[in-house]
Amino acid sequence: DAKTTQPTSMDCAEGRAANLPCNHSTISGNEYVYWYRQIHSQGPQYIIHGLKNNETNEMASLIITEDRKSSTLILPHATLRDTAVYYCIVRDPNRDDKIIFGKGTRLHILP
Amino acid sequence: EPEVTQTPSHQVTQMGQEVILRCVPISNHLYFYWYRQILGQKVEFLVSFYNNEISEKSEIFDDQFSVERPDGSNFTLKIRSTKLEDSAMYFCASSVEGNSPLHFGNGTRLTVT
Repeated sequence: DAKTTQPTSMDCAEGRAANLPCNHSTISGNEYVYWYRQIHSQGPQYIIHGLKNNETNEMASLIITEDRKSSTLILPHATLRDTAVYYCIVRDPNRDDKIIFGKGTRLHILP
Repeated sequence: EPEVTQTPSHQVTQMGQEVILRCVPISNHLYFYWYRQILGQKVEFLVSFYNNEISEKSEIFDDQFSVERPDGSNFTLKIRSTKLEDSAMYFCASSVEGNSPLHFGNGTRLTVT
């Protein structure tokens, strides 16, 4: 019962910004948007999360639309090491401590 | 930066044997989790653990599975009698609080022959 919809795969040229979209049209008022990624043969890695304001950290920026029905993860200057599966997850952290992974977007950074 | 560490990185066992997968969560974290990922499939939630007891478990986490925090630093997953279909990557995760992001280890690859 997926709460988010992401493209199966995307390509991005090295050095360019990678923009990964996510639809979460049924998101509720208390649910946050979380992004994780999984580099091949490694565990999932937390990237960023937000409720309604845009967020930025050392890894990425998260842009959430005003109606909160979609969001975009931005990797500003993609490198080959950013090749991974990216997961967009919605979660109400005050009701549910676990996270549930979908299929994510497989991002290929091209040299 | 503190990390979740898991040992061993690869475990091979025969069907019907017991295995224990070990994890050392980040030291000030209070919530602990196990997930698994069968080759080519999604990362699946198994169990969450807080205050020395299971807080939630999935349908996968049947009577063959158990978790334990035997001391102040380790968090273990035991599979009593392994089956071929238990072959997967098993990831441990921890978080400071229930509403904090989860931090994952790099997993133990379990191969049941």
